[in-house]
Amino acid sequence: GAGVSQSPSNKVTEKGKDVELRCDPISGHTALYWYRQSLGQGLEFLIYFQGNSAPDKSGLPSDRFSAERTGGSVSTLTIQRTQQEDSAVYLCASSLGQYEAFFGQGTRLTVV
Amino acid sequence: GQQVMQIPQYQHVQEGEDFTTYCNSSTTLSNIQWYKQRPGGHPVFLIQLVKSGEVKKQKRLTFQFGEAKKNSSLHITATQTTDVGTYFCAGPLIQGAQKLVFGQGTRLTINP
Repeated sequence: GAGVSQSPSNKVTEKGKDVELRCDPISGHTALYWYRQSLGQGLEFLIYFQGNSAPDKSGLPSDRFSAERTGGSVSTLTIQRTQQEDSAVYLCASSLGQYEAFFGQGTRLTVV
Repeated sequence: GQQVMQIPQYQHVQEGEDFTTYCNSSTTLSNIQWYKQRPGGHPVFLIQLVKSGEVKKQKRLTFQFGEAKKNSSLHITATQTTDVGTYFCAGPLIQGAQKLVFGQGTRLTINP
């Protein structure tokens, strides 16, 4: 595709349910990032994938959060047993190494 | 820890006034990037600076990279309502590493 694609664009889930958020990065981009952004706030780093290296998981807020990147391409962010404080926009970005990062439109997650 | 700091966190100006946001890194950066996020949107790349002391202009926007490559600034001359948004700086904090670290952003609001 022409850009970073995220799905779904909106997700409403009940507290305690698991959710999966998907990111399709730009083809060939070696780096992939997940961020969380609450309303009016900055970018909260969650996880970083670079090529075949072990991911940098230092930003994951709890063990309920996990992410995979299969085949160096598509990534899935999974949140287990969702809580209301997980409500936010989840942004994915990809880049070719340390150069320009391209962001997806984000997934707006609402936990009710 | 290693981080990128941006100030101010918020700035409100009258239309036509100038605006500046500053970015400071705890380490020397190989490059610094600036992004703009419009309300309701996702961050979009504006520019990358690579050289010590580099200055680049985009219409009313002037970007500078410090001599020590540890700080940067974005200056907007005669702000317009279209400049509203959050401005982020980002750079690879670790020498030779590719992971981009984003500052917390400066949110600009404008009184027309």
